[in-house]
Amino acid sequence: DGGITQSPKYLFRKEGQNVTLSCEQNLNHDAMYWYRQDPGQGLRLIYYSQIVNDFQKGDIAEGYSVSREKKESFPLTVTSAQKNPTAFYLCASIVAGGSNQPQHFGDGTRLSIL
Amino acid sequence: GNSVTQMEGPVTLSEEAFLTINCTYTATGYPSLFWYVQYPGEGLQLLLKATKADDKGSNKGFEATYRKETTSFHLEKGSVQVSDSAVYFCALSDQGGFKTIFGAGTRLFVKA
Repeated sequence: DGGITQSPKYLFRKEGQNVTLSCEQNLNHDAMYWYRQDPGQGLRLIYYSQIVNDFQKGDIAEGYSVSREKKESFPLTVTSAQKNPTAFYLCASIVAGGSNQPQHFGDGTRLSIL
Repeated sequence: GNSVTQMEGPVTLSEEAFLTINCTYTATGYPSLFWYVQYPGEGLQLLLKATKADDKGSNKGFEATYRKETTSFHLEKGSVQVSDSAVYFCALSDQGGFKTIFGAGTRLFVKA
């Protein structure tokens, strides 16, 4: 079955540490996204990528970085500059020409501070 | 810019009650509209969609009609079940674009 796989499901970060969240899709989708979700709140866009080797900042990119070296993969690094990283992180993807198409989501990674 | 506003939750209903979750949007052009559902600890799943005015999306007993004149896309279900307890997100997709704009989400609790 095609889908989006996020790993790990739970992640703990120490002070001053960078951590990387994995997102892999086998849907052959062109565009991929990272969202942050805080308790009781909606989704906020961190970064998105429409094609390989290209990505754009979303609304809350500070303290995060991404890469898109392969179509299937869009890892997110939460850097030490992100002072409040505790949240639920969701990766999504969409097929090309996607204005009528829904985004497909992974099951998320919950990041907490140790 | 484009935006989505949906009713605040939580919404608490008894099993078999009628559900309405209001959603209104602001957009230029003719966006596609979506309802997503999120169960605890999971990602979002598409519940239904409508791509043009007067379209009705439906799935699993849920329905929503794309009303351009009132810029609304309210979610309804005639008889909710405990298993419908989740967070529901209304969203729109920019025409020709790759970005989806989500509402803040409405949490639904259904009591047996």
